[in-house]
Parts: sequence; structure tokens; C-alpha cells
Amino acid sequence: TQLLEQSPQFLSIQEGENLTVYCNSSSVFSSLQWYRQEPGEGPVLLVTVVTGGEVKKLKRLTFQFGDARKDSSLHITAAQPGDTGLYLCAGGVSWDNLFFGTGTRLTVIP
Amino acid sequence: EPEVTQTPSHQVTQMGQEVILRCVPISNHLYFYWYRQILGQKVEFLVSFYNNEISEKSEIFDDQFSVERPDGSNFTLKIRSTKLEDSAMYFCASLLAGGPVTGELFFGEGSRLTVL
Repeated sequence: TQLLEQSPQFLSIQEGENLTVYCNSSSVFSSLQWYRQEPGEGPVLLVTVVTGGEVKKLKRLTFQFGDARKDSSLHITAAQPGDTGLYLCAGGVSWDNLFFGTGTRLTVIP
Repeated sequence: EPEVTQTPSHQVTQMGQEVILRCVPISNHLYFYWYRQILGQKVEFLVSFYNNEISEKSEIFDDQFSVERPDGSNFTLKIRSTKLEDSAMYFCASLLAGGPVTGELFFGEGSRLTVL
């Protein structure tokens, strides 16, 4: 069973600060996705990265896939209270299955 | 905006009872999934369904679980005899094409199952 460890597990920061969330594994993934989950809702896809070393930007969010395709990071610049939520990474191995990470719960304090 | 809808939003049942969780995927999607999330734990894959049959399932999806798409719109998860450890949020998801590894998987809001 592939294991995706996210760190930190919990993060509480002030509005305007920058932060980075990490997603690490000993397994190689064909792709890696980041989701955000609000309380009482299902995960919502933010981005998919498929090439080792790939960097994608989504407004203030920057996603990077490690060169070896075993890890990924999510960097948020100038965090806002609306960024509060549970961030999940998910790695794809077979075409039909995603393994979800352990999650990082972010709280941005106004 | 099209969305995946799930019912019920919350179900409480006694251990040993059968439970059916229902999902209406996005209408033109071809691939359907069930995931579960035990409170405070990670999202876990249960089963994927394509072309009216199971295409992949995890070790969690044992003989107590079954899925079907009875009428071309609903996608159901049945737990035949619930156990306490089945208590979780169950998420249905659907995908247009290509598999969730590179495509966009749309999740429903989940059905919370509480087994007493």
C-alpha cells in the first residue's frame, strides 16, 4: 500500500504569511494531485502534476512535483482566511486509483 | 454547474443492518468511484466502476460491500451487514474520461454513516 505523508499535519498562521505544505512518499507516482476539502464537503481538485520537476501556479498557490515523482509541495503566498481548509495530496499509480495523503489542516487567522 | 449528489447526507443504523448509499453522478460521466473517510483519517479508495462493472477495488471492499448502477443514473453502495468500523463519511465521485490519475474527479458532499 502506497503511503503519502503530509507535513505539517496542522498549521495555523496569520493572514499575509507564506507557507509550504509537503507531501512525501517512498513510492513513485505517475501523477500527483492536490485537493482542498471544506468541512462537510467532498474534496475539490486544485491541480494535477504529471512530470517530474513540474511547477504549476494557481494564483497565490504554487505546486511542485519532485524530480523523482515521489514528493510534492504546495506553497501559498500571502495566505488569506479563505485559504483555510484541509489540503490533501493524492498520488496516482494505476490509471484507476488514487492514494490520498494524510492531510494538512490549515487555519489562516485574520 | 453540474455536481455529484449523494443521499442520505447522514444515516444512523444498528450494527448488522443493511445500508444503501445513493449517488447521482454527473450525467455524461463514465467512471464512478466510492471513497470513504473515517473521522480524522485520510480518504481511502473503495471501488471504481466503469462500463457496468467493477474495474478495481481495495482490500476494504470485501464481500460485505457491493455496488451497482441499476438505472443508468443512480450509483449505489450497499453494505450488507454493517459493523461499527464502517462508521465513516462515504464519498461518491465521478469522472468524464481518462481515469482519476490525470483527469478531474468530481466528489459529492458525502454521506455520513454512523453504526451503533
